[in-house]
Order: sequence, then C-alpha cells, then structure tokens
Amino acid sequence: SQQGEEDPQALSIQEGENATMNCSYKTSINNLQWYRQNSGRGLVHLILIRSNEREKHSGRLRVTLDTSKKSSSLLITASRAADTASYFCATDADNDMRFGAGTRLTVKP
Amino acid sequence: EADIYQTPRYLVIGTGKKITLECSQTMGHDKMYWYQQDPGMELHLIHYSYGVNSTEKGDLSSESTVSRIRTEHFPLTLESARPSHTSQYLCASRGFGDYEQYFGPGTRLTVT
Repeated sequence: SQQGEEDPQALSIQEGENATMNCSYKTSINNLQWYRQNSGRGLVHLILIRSNEREKHSGRLRVTLDTSKKSSSLLITASRAADTASYFCATDADNDMRFGAGTRLTVKP
Repeated sequence: EADIYQTPRYLVIGTGKKITLECSQTMGHDKMYWYQQDPGMELHLIHYSYGVNSTEKGDLSSESTVSRIRTEHFPLTLESARPSHTSQYLCASRGFGDYEQYFGPGTRLTVT
C-alpha cells in the first residue's frame, strides 16, 4: 500500500526557477529517499535522508525531513529542462520500502 | 547506470498468451522486486524475493507468478495475458544492508 503522498501532483516552471516538491507519510521510518523517473524508464536514486537528519544537500538538490510532521521536501535549485521528470519519495521502515504517487515536474526552456 | 536488465523492453501480445518477463542483475543482490506502474502513476509492489527459493506476494493482487532459482534472475510469468495486464513492469534489486533500490529500465506490456 502507498505510504508517501507527494504534493503537488504536477508542477510546471521556467528554466532557472526553483522547484519544490513535498512528501507526507503515515508511519515511523528509518529513512526517506527520493527517486527520479524519466518518461518510460526505471527509477534512479537521488538522495537519502535518515530519520535523525533534518536537512541534506547534494549538488542542486536539498532535502528536508520533519519527523514530527511526517513530511519531507525536495528542492531543486536553478532548474534545467533536463530536470523534467517524475519525482517519487520512498519511505523505508524495517526493509519495507513504499513509494508515493510522484510529482511530475516540467521545466520549460 | 545500474547493472539490472529487463527483457523485452516492449511487448505487444494477444489475449490468452503466456508470457515471461525477464529480470537479471549482476550485483549479487539478495532482494529483488517487481512493480506494476501505469503511465504517470504510482508504483504497486506485486512480488518480492529476499533470496533464492524465497518469493512473496506484494500489496497489489496480481495474476502473475515469480520464481527465484538463481540469485541474479527473477522472472515474472503471466499464464494467460488479459488487456487488464497492460502496464509497465519494473524490476528492482537491493543489496543486504543497502538503502537504495536499483531499477531496471522496465518492460512496457500491451495486451490486445
């Protein structure tokens, strides 16, 4: 069953703008991960944040985690047309990983 | 690029046919998974395995079956394909103690 829910379902921005996607979940987790999926392809792991971490950076990606609110956000700064894809959060609890429905991001050149 | 492969990438087949979707990984991962995903939608876990001779059903009821005779190989079989099976099927693997899952490129199945 689905654990994470992404918000918004779809996001359209101009190149150079920042994109923020949110994920809410229901149960306790060990870590939360974000994945990217290009159209018609498999998912690719982007970044992981552990339950005892609040913020993590990787290049143009910034992830935050608020375990009290059971929510996470993914920020992509200075977006590029090549960032156009679907982004999924996945919660990991005792080897049980659950994916959300994803946010479809479109970056217009 | 992850070392996990799926064949075929695309398959169009008639109703009632038996099909097997192949998934192989060369990373020695114990855990393997099959997901079903309609275009632009969420992933549904349909089968998983934690090692050789171990298979379990996932959250989404599926008429498919799987086998795990070798660590690297996790094929999914549909005994009698139906139009409702039209979807994308994603295979993934994960090593013991690893956090991330590695996904194959997917098989897009169309049943006519």
